[in-house]
Amino acid sequence: AQTVTQSQPEMSVQEAETVTLSCTYDTSESDYYLFWYKQPPSRQMILVIRQEAYKQQNATENRFSVNFQKAAKSFSLKISDSQLGDAAMYFCAYRSAGGGNKLTFGTGTQLKVEL
Amino acid sequence: EPEVTQTPSHQVTQMGQEVILRCVPISNHLYFYWYRQILGQKVEFLVSFYNNEISEKSEIFDDQFSVERPDGSNFTLKIRSTKLEDSAMYFCASSGGPPGGGLHEQFFGPGTRLTVL
Repeated sequence: AQTVTQSQPEMSVQEAETVTLSCTYDTSESDYYLFWYKQPPSRQMILVIRQEAYKQQNATENRFSVNFQKAAKSFSLKISDSQLGDAAMYFCAYRSAGGGNKLTFGTGTQLKVEL
Repeated sequence: EPEVTQTPSHQVTQMGQEVILRCVPISNHLYFYWYRQILGQKVEFLVSFYNNEISEKSEIFDDQFSVERPDGSNFTLKIRSTKLEDSAMYFCASSGGPPGGGLHEQFFGPGTRLTVL
């Protein structure tokens, strides 16, 4: 079974600064997808960024980028120019490329953005 | 922009009662999911549903749980006899693509907070 680990329960960043959230995962599969979801206080899960494991190029979405290290099974999220609206719980998630569609989530990192 | 909706936003029930949580997935999506999040814990997969049948379920999804697509728009999760430990936020999600068919984003609803007393 796949597992996803987020070792940072809480992180803080100053507004306009950069922060990196860590995620590692364990799988025996070679093809899969990885995601970062944001859960603000309203609690609705919003997809931030996704990465296909077969792609070597790291995904980027505006101020959000990932550092995907397949051999190390690491998938960190970098948020540049942090804004107050970035404050939320961030979940890393894994999905197999074959078979079922279920997402396996990590325990989350609470990001605080300070003025 | 299309979105997944869920009702009610908060449900309070007595232990042993049946509850039905409702979801309206995005209209052209074919794959539906339920997840739950116990307060302060991670989001956990419960079940996926396609073509009017369960395609995958977790060990959490025991005989007390059932899912149904009663019409062309709703997707429901029923808990037959609620327990205290069923208290959680329940999220519905939907996606457009098939398992193994590529990268298809799951869109989440806002959740239903279930409180079992």
